[in-house]
Amino acid sequence: AQTVTQSQPEMSVQEAETVTLSCTYDTSESNYYLFWYKQPPSRQMILVIRQEAYKQQNATENRFSVNFQKAAKSFSLKISDSQLGDTAMYFCAFRMDSNYQLIWGAGTKLIIKP
Amino acid sequence: GAGVSQSPSNKVTEKGKDVELRCDPISGHTALYWYRQSLGQGLEFLIYFQGNSAPDKSGLPSDRFSAERTGGSVSTLTIQRTQQEDSAVYLCASSPSQSQNEKLFFGSGTQLSVL
Repeated sequence: AQTVTQSQPEMSVQEAETVTLSCTYDTSESNYYLFWYKQPPSRQMILVIRQEAYKQQNATENRFSVNFQKAAKSFSLKISDSQLGDTAMYFCAFRMDSNYQLIWGAGTKLIIKP
Repeated sequence: GAGVSQSPSNKVTEKGKDVELRCDPISGHTALYWYRQSLGQGLEFLIYFQGNSAPDKSGLPSDRFSAERTGGSVSTLTIQRTQQEDSAVYLCASSPSQSQNEKLFFGSGTQLSVL
């Protein structure tokens, strides 16, 4: 069975600093997708970034980038120049290419301090 | 609508009562998902609709849970004889089609509290 592990329940950094959130997963599949979602206090999940496993290049979306290590089954999220609005829960998720279901980690609470 | 709409936003009920949670997906989205999020945990899959059909009900925790979707649009999740362990946030998401399910658009959820 596929699992997703986020080992950091909570993190706190100063505004403008860089922060990295960790995510590891377990699968025997070779084709899959990985995602980072943000959940602010409004509760609405927002897709931050996605990575296809067959792509070696790390995905980047403005201040958000990932470090995808396929052999190590690691998928960390780096937030550069953090902003107060980045304060939220962040969830890592996994989906096999052959299945529509998303498998979710337990989340990391990120607090950006002014 | 502009986004996925869920109602009510918050629901407090007594143990043993039935509740209905509503989800209005984005117009034209054929795929619809229900998830449950317990405090401090990730999302737990409940059920998936493609159009009005539910090919996967495997996540429903018990026979007290049921869901339907009508007109390929609005979906209702019903919990009968609620128990305290049913307390959670119930999130609905939609996507244009199953093949694009990673582009999930979420509602703001219903916070259910069973006293």
